[in-house]
Amino acid sequence: EVQLVESGGGLIQPGGSLRLSCAASGFTVSSNDMSWVRQAPGKGLEWVSVIYSGGSTRYADSVKGRFTIFRDNSKNTLYLQMDSLRAEDTAVFYCARGRRFDLWGRGTLVTVSS
Amino acid sequence: QSALTQPASVSGSPGQSITISCTGTSSDVGFYDYVSWYQQHPGKAPKLIIYDVTNRPSGVSNRFSGSKSGNTASLTISGLQAEDEADYYCRSLTSSSTWVFGGGTKLTVL
Repeated sequence: EVQLVESGGGLIQPGGSLRLSCAASGFTVSSNDMSWVRQAPGKGLEWVSVIYSGGSTRYADSVKGRFTIFRDNSKNTLYLQMDSLRAEDTAVFYCARGRRFDLWGRGTLVTVSS
Repeated sequence: QSALTQPASVSGSPGQSITISCTGTSSDVGFYDYVSWYQQHPGKAPKLIIYDVTNRPSGVSNRFSGSKSGNTASLTISGLQAEDEADYYCRSLTSSSTWVFGGGTKLTVL
């Protein structure tokens, strides 16, 4: 089955770090552009980061310098390393496939609070 | 990286047609034909319904259609049905090779 499964979310204190994972099945992560998108409670979608199939990366201004996107081809998994977390980073984080964002996971909730 | 502009809400009666606009700039919507639309029901992940301005993925109803003129893209839903009630988001590639979403539009089927 072609799917994406996010994990790694949880409650973290401000200033802390968290690593999200997005395990893919049924297709190859490294052959696709892969993105992270987040949605704060009751708010809209916000694009966070992309890793293009060629390996280049881009970030939203709101997370640049704090978040790092990378992939492990041997595990067919996408990651998002999140450092210096802030309360405003609280959101459900989704991973999405390709230029079209045609496949999404169910999301993982990150709560940044003391 | 300003969000694309969408109306906060639209509504229509069953069987009617509605259109949701998505306004950007010449550096995103107006520059590329990489505008997509997503439907999101409460508590669910977004679902792709239109890509590359006008294209529908396999399995998406032909009641959904997309278009673009200048810096504004539009999503039209014809023959409104109760299950169309959801939030809708547009998304575009930018000149910086980043992506940007619209603020979202809540569709109410009266």
